[in-house]
Amino acid sequence: AQSVAQPEDQVNVAEGNPLTVKCTYSVSGNPYLFWYVQYPNRGLQFLLKYITGDNLVKGSYGFEAEFNKSQTSFHLKKPSALVSDSALYFCAVPRTRGKSTFGDGTTLTVKP
Amino acid sequence: GAVVSQHPSWVICKSGTSVKIECRSLDFQATTMFWYRQFPKQSLMLMATSNEGSKATYEQGVEKDKFLINHASLTLSTLTVTSAHPEDSSFYICSAGGPSGYEQYFGPGTRLTVT
Repeated sequence: AQSVAQPEDQVNVAEGNPLTVKCTYSVSGNPYLFWYVQYPNRGLQFLLKYITGDNLVKGSYGFEAEFNKSQTSFHLKKPSALVSDSALYFCAVPRTRGKSTFGDGTTLTVKP
Repeated sequence: GAVVSQHPSWVICKSGTSVKIECRSLDFQATTMFWYRQFPKQSLMLMATSNEGSKATYEQGVEKDKFLINHASLTLSTLTVTSAHPEDSSFYICSAGGPSGYEQYFGPGTRLTVT
Protein backbone atom coordinates (compact mmCIF):
# COMPACT_ATOMS: atom_id res chain seq x y z
CA ALA A 1 0.00 0.00 0.00
CA GLN A 2 1.14 3.53 -0.75
CA SER A 3 1.70 5.63 2.34
CA VAL A 4 3.51 8.69 3.63
CA ALA A 5 4.54 9.63 7.13
CA GLN A 6 5.20 13.03 8.64
CA PRO A 7 7.14 12.37 11.83
CA GLU A 8 6.69 15.84 13.32
CA ASP A 9 3.33 17.21 14.44
CA GLN A 10 4.80 20.65 14.98
CA VAL A 11 7.76 22.59 13.62
CA ASN A 12 8.74 25.96 15.05
CA VAL A 13 11.25 28.27 13.40
CA ALA A 14 12.21 31.90 13.67
CA GLU A 15 11.51 34.21 10.77
CA GLY A 16 14.46 34.37 8.39
CA ASN A 17 15.78 30.95 9.38
CA PRO A 18 15.65 27.95 7.07
CA LEU A 19 12.81 25.52 7.59
CA THR A 20 12.38 21.81 6.93
CA VAL A 21 9.17 19.81 7.13
CA LYS A 22 9.84 16.10 6.93
CA CYS A 23 8.09 13.40 4.94
CA THR A 24 9.00 9.78 4.35
CA TYR A 25 7.24 7.48 1.96
CA SER A 26 6.50 3.83 1.40
CA VAL A 27 5.62 3.31 -2.23
CA SER A 28 5.96 0.41 -4.61
CA GLY A 29 7.54 1.32 -7.90
CA ASN A 30 8.41 4.89 -8.86
CA PRO A 31 6.85 7.29 -6.39
CA TYR A 32 4.78 10.33 -7.23
CA LEU A 33 4.90 12.69 -4.25
CA PHE A 34 3.10 15.92 -3.48
CA TRP A 35 3.17 18.69 -0.91
CA TYR A 36 0.11 20.75 -0.05
CA VAL A 37 -0.38 23.67 2.34
CA GLN A 38 -3.55 24.50 4.25
CA TYR A 39 -4.24 27.86 5.85
CA PRO A 40 -6.85 28.08 8.64
CA ASN A 41 -10.38 27.31 7.46
CA ARG A 42 -9.24 26.89 3.88
CA GLY A 43 -8.85 24.00 1.48
CA LEU A 44 -5.51 22.58 0.47
CA GLN A 45 -3.27 24.41 -1.96
CA PHE A 46 -0.79 22.60 -4.17
CA LEU A 47 2.85 23.49 -3.46
CA LEU A 48 4.94 21.13 -5.54
CA LYS A 49 5.26 17.60 -6.83
CA TYR A 50 7.87 15.03 -7.74
CA ILE A 51 7.08 12.82 -10.69
CA THR A 52 10.43 12.11 -12.24
CA GLY A 53 13.63 13.92 -13.14
CA ASP A 54 15.65 16.20 -10.88
CA ASN A 55 15.65 15.26 -7.23
CA LEU A 56 15.32 18.90 -6.20
CA VAL A 57 11.87 20.18 -7.02
CA LYS A 58 10.98 23.86 -6.84
CA GLY A 59 7.45 24.95 -6.07
CA SER A 60 5.26 27.85 -5.07
CA TYR A 61 6.09 30.58 -2.53
CA GLY A 62 9.81 29.79 -2.55
CA PHE A 63 9.42 26.24 -1.30
CA GLU A 64 11.41 23.32 -2.61
CA ALA A 65 11.61 19.64 -1.81
CA GLU A 66 14.34 17.08 -2.18
CA PHE A 67 13.53 13.57 -3.28
CA ASN A 68 15.92 11.07 -1.70
CA LYS A 69 15.41 7.53 -2.89
CA SER A 70 17.93 5.91 -0.55
CA GLN A 71 16.29 7.49 2.50
CA THR A 72 12.76 7.28 1.04
CA SER A 73 12.25 10.89 1.97
CA PHE A 74 10.73 13.96 0.38
CA HIS A 75 11.40 16.79 2.82
CA LEU A 76 9.97 20.24 2.21
CA LYS A 77 12.38 23.13 2.60
CA LYS A 78 12.63 26.88 2.39
CA PRO A 79 15.84 28.87 2.83
CA SER A 80 14.27 31.76 4.73
CA ALA A 81 10.97 31.36 6.56
CA LEU A 82 8.27 34.02 6.67
CA VAL A 83 5.64 34.50 9.34
CA SER A 84 3.06 34.07 6.57
CA ASP A 85 4.37 30.53 5.95
CA SER A 86 2.72 29.47 9.21
CA ALA A 87 0.18 26.84 8.20
CA LEU A 88 -0.56 23.13 8.13
CA TYR A 89 1.49 21.16 5.60
CA PHE A 90 0.59 17.79 4.11
CA CYS A 91 2.70 15.35 2.20
CA ALA A 92 0.68 13.09 -0.13
CA VAL A 93 1.00 10.17 -2.50
CA PRO A 94 -1.56 9.28 -5.17
CA ARG A 95 -3.51 6.07 -4.63
CA THR A 96 -5.51 5.87 -7.79
CA ARG A 97 -6.56 8.39 -10.40
CA GLY A 98 -7.17 11.68 -8.61
CA LYS A 99 -7.25 10.11 -5.13
CA SER A 100 -4.44 10.64 -2.64
CA THR A 101 -3.26 9.36 0.70
CA PHE A 102 -2.19 12.15 2.99
CA GLY A 103 0.22 12.28 5.87
CA ASP A 104 -1.06 13.38 9.25
CA GLY A 105 0.10 16.92 8.65
CA THR A 106 2.71 19.14 10.23
CA THR A 107 1.87 22.50 11.77
CA LEU A 108 4.54 25.02 10.92
CA THR A 109 4.80 28.07 13.15
CA VAL A 110 7.16 30.86 12.14
CA LYS A 111 7.77 33.36 14.89
CA PRO A 112 8.82 36.96 14.23
CA GLY B 1 -7.22 27.48 -14.20
CA ALA B 2 -8.39 24.42 -12.25
CA VAL B 3 -10.51 26.25 -9.70
CA VAL B 4 -12.88 24.37 -7.42
CA SER B 5 -15.49 26.22 -5.39
CA GLN B 6 -17.64 25.13 -2.47
CA HIS B 7 -20.85 26.59 -1.18
CA PRO B 8 -21.58 27.48 1.51
CA SER B 9 -18.27 28.26 3.17
CA TRP B 10 -19.87 27.78 6.55
CA VAL B 11 -23.25 26.67 7.83
CA ILE B 12 -24.89 26.29 11.20
CA CYS B 13 -27.89 24.00 11.45
CA LYS B 14 -30.03 22.45 14.11
CA SER B 15 -29.81 18.81 15.04
CA GLY B 16 -32.12 16.68 12.91
CA THR B 17 -32.08 18.90 9.85
CA SER B 18 -30.33 18.20 6.54
CA VAL B 19 -27.61 20.30 4.96
CA LYS B 20 -26.46 20.34 1.34
CA ILE B 21 -22.94 21.33 0.35
CA GLU B 22 -22.08 22.05 -3.28
CA CYS B 23 -18.75 21.48 -4.99
CA ARG B 24 -18.17 22.98 -8.44
CA SER B 25 -15.32 22.81 -10.88
CA LEU B 26 -15.35 26.29 -12.40
CA ASP B 27 -13.15 26.03 -15.45
CA PHE B 28 -12.83 22.35 -16.18
CA GLN B 29 -14.94 19.23 -16.26
CA ALA B 30 -14.58 16.72 -13.49
CA THR B 31 -15.98 13.25 -14.00
CA THR B 32 -14.72 12.36 -10.57
CA MET B 33 -14.75 14.39 -7.39
CA PHE B 34 -13.80 13.47 -3.86
CA TRP B 35 -15.30 14.38 -0.53
CA TYR B 36 -13.13 14.61 2.57
CA ARG B 37 -13.79 15.30 6.20
CA GLN B 38 -11.25 16.97 8.41
CA PHE B 39 -11.17 17.37 12.18
CA PRO B 40 -9.20 20.22 13.76
CA LYS B 41 -5.50 20.01 13.06
CA GLN B 42 -5.88 16.53 11.64
CA SER B 43 -5.43 15.01 8.26
CA LEU B 44 -8.10 14.61 5.60
CA MET B 45 -10.28 11.53 5.77
CA LEU B 46 -11.63 10.44 2.42
CA MET B 47 -15.35 9.86 2.71
CA ALA B 48 -16.37 8.99 -0.82
CA THR B 49 -15.63 9.25 -4.51
CA SER B 50 -18.31 11.02 -6.49
CA ASN B 51 -18.76 9.72 -10.04
CA GLU B 52 -20.64 11.73 -12.65
CA GLY B 53 -23.75 9.89 -13.77
CA SER B 54 -23.36 6.96 -11.42
CA LYS B 55 -23.41 6.06 -7.75
CA ALA B 56 -20.78 7.33 -5.40
CA THR B 57 -18.22 4.97 -3.96
CA TYR B 58 -18.02 5.22 -0.19
CA GLU B 59 -15.03 4.45 1.98
CA GLN B 60 -15.35 1.82 4.64
CA GLY B 61 -17.19 3.03 7.69
CA VAL B 62 -18.93 5.96 5.97
CA GLU B 63 -22.73 5.74 6.07
CA LYS B 64 -24.01 6.24 2.54
CA ASP B 65 -27.56 6.93 3.75
CA LYS B 66 -26.31 9.67 6.02
CA PHE B 67 -23.96 11.32 3.57
CA LEU B 68 -25.80 11.46 0.27
CA ILE B 69 -23.71 12.30 -2.77
CA ASN B 70 -25.05 13.37 -6.14
CA HIS B 71 -22.85 14.10 -9.15
CA ALA B 72 -25.44 15.23 -11.65
CA SER B 73 -23.17 17.08 -14.05
CA LEU B 74 -19.52 17.29 -15.04
CA THR B 75 -19.06 20.40 -12.94
CA LEU B 76 -21.18 19.82 -9.85
CA SER B 77 -21.18 17.35 -6.99
CA THR B 78 -23.30 17.74 -3.87
CA LEU B 79 -22.95 16.27 -0.41
CA THR B 80 -26.07 16.19 1.74
CA VAL B 81 -25.68 15.48 5.42
CA THR B 82 -29.02 14.04 6.41
CA SER B 83 -30.49 14.28 9.90
CA ALA B 84 -27.40 16.04 11.11
CA HIS B 85 -26.15 15.59 14.66
CA PRO B 86 -23.51 17.49 16.62
CA GLU B 87 -20.96 14.75 15.92
CA ASP B 88 -21.29 15.58 12.21
CA SER B 89 -19.81 18.99 12.90
CA SER B 90 -16.61 19.17 10.91
CA PHE B 91 -14.78 20.76 8.01
CA TYR B 92 -15.79 19.20 4.70
CA ILE B 93 -13.53 19.56 1.68
CA CYS B 94 -14.10 18.47 -1.89
CA SER B 95 -11.55 17.97 -4.62
CA ALA B 96 -11.42 17.17 -8.30
CA GLY B 97 -8.76 15.27 -10.17
CA GLY B 98 -6.52 17.07 -12.63
CA PRO B 99 -5.97 16.07 -16.26
CA SER B 100 -2.78 14.13 -15.55
CA GLY B 101 -4.68 11.92 -13.18
CA TYR B 102 -2.45 12.63 -10.20
CA GLU B 103 -3.00 16.23 -9.22
CA GLN B 104 -5.95 17.20 -7.10
CA TYR B 105 -7.60 20.59 -6.94
CA PHE B 106 -9.28 21.36 -3.68
CA GLY B 107 -12.25 23.48 -2.80
CA PRO B 108 -11.93 25.99 0.03
CA GLY B 109 -13.93 23.81 2.41
CA THR B 110 -17.22 24.11 4.28
CA ARG B 111 -17.38 24.45 8.03
CA LEU B 112 -20.49 22.64 9.33
CA THR B 113 -21.66 23.23 12.88
CA VAL B 114 -24.64 21.28 14.15
CA THR B 115 -26.24 22.65 17.31
